[in-house]
Amino acid sequence: QSVLTQPPSVSGAPGQRVTISCTGSSSNIGAVYDVHWYQQPPGTAPKLLIYANSNRPSGVPDRFSGSKSGTSASLAITGLQAEDEADYYCQSYDNSLSAWVFGGGTKLTVL
Amino acid sequence: EVQLVASGGDLIQPGGSLRLSCVVSGFIVTSKDMSWVRQAPGKGLEWVSLVYSGGITKFADSVKGRFTVSRDQSKNTLFLQMDSLRAEDTAVYYCARFSSGRFDYWGQGTLVTVSS
Repeated sequence: QSVLTQPPSVSGAPGQRVTISCTGSSSNIGAVYDVHWYQQPPGTAPKLLIYANSNRPSGVPDRFSGSKSGTSASLAITGLQAEDEADYYCQSYDNSLSAWVFGGGTKLTVL
Repeated sequence: EVQLVASGGDLIQPGGSLRLSCVVSGFIVTSKDMSWVRQAPGKGLEWVSLVYSGGITKFADSVKGRFTVSRDQSKNTLFLQMDSLRAEDTAVYYCARFSSGRFDYWGQGTLVTVSS
């Protein structure tokens, strides 16, 4: 059971918009800690996709956006493309565990 | 260009030891915070360890007392020493650079299988 809760799967047709939620608590997302998102295509290493809630590293398309409110965060992907098919993970810090924690991951399927 | 290349994964018996290496390029390994993150087969990501640039280390409760981390600046390499290995340590181990609470660059991972 992950400290951060994500839906196991989401799907959408090419060109559509999908969102992935990440729900935490007052000891992680609800505290002062940022949320970061990672993309992991099949058989590859994770890659930083969104950092500090809503910022994109250089090279990440603006189709990807992030937000945070209260004890939850959200990743939105617009204009879905086949290459977006991957597992997506949220990550933050938990001060009751004194550990960096990940969500359980969400598998995005592009129909 | 920042690159991280992990190696050292193997099939090891329960109770055994293994040392993983992560050769970095594009920065000096001791100038940045560095971490190990693992992923059990078909499962999600789990943070394992962190070494701050100043040398202070932190570990997940699941590996505390069994794993240690070190760095060799002359080889620009990060190490993870894993002792008293258990079946539940079976995973792909990724080294990652750590910055402001996030893992900003990742290596390709190395597979550790603990089984008799």
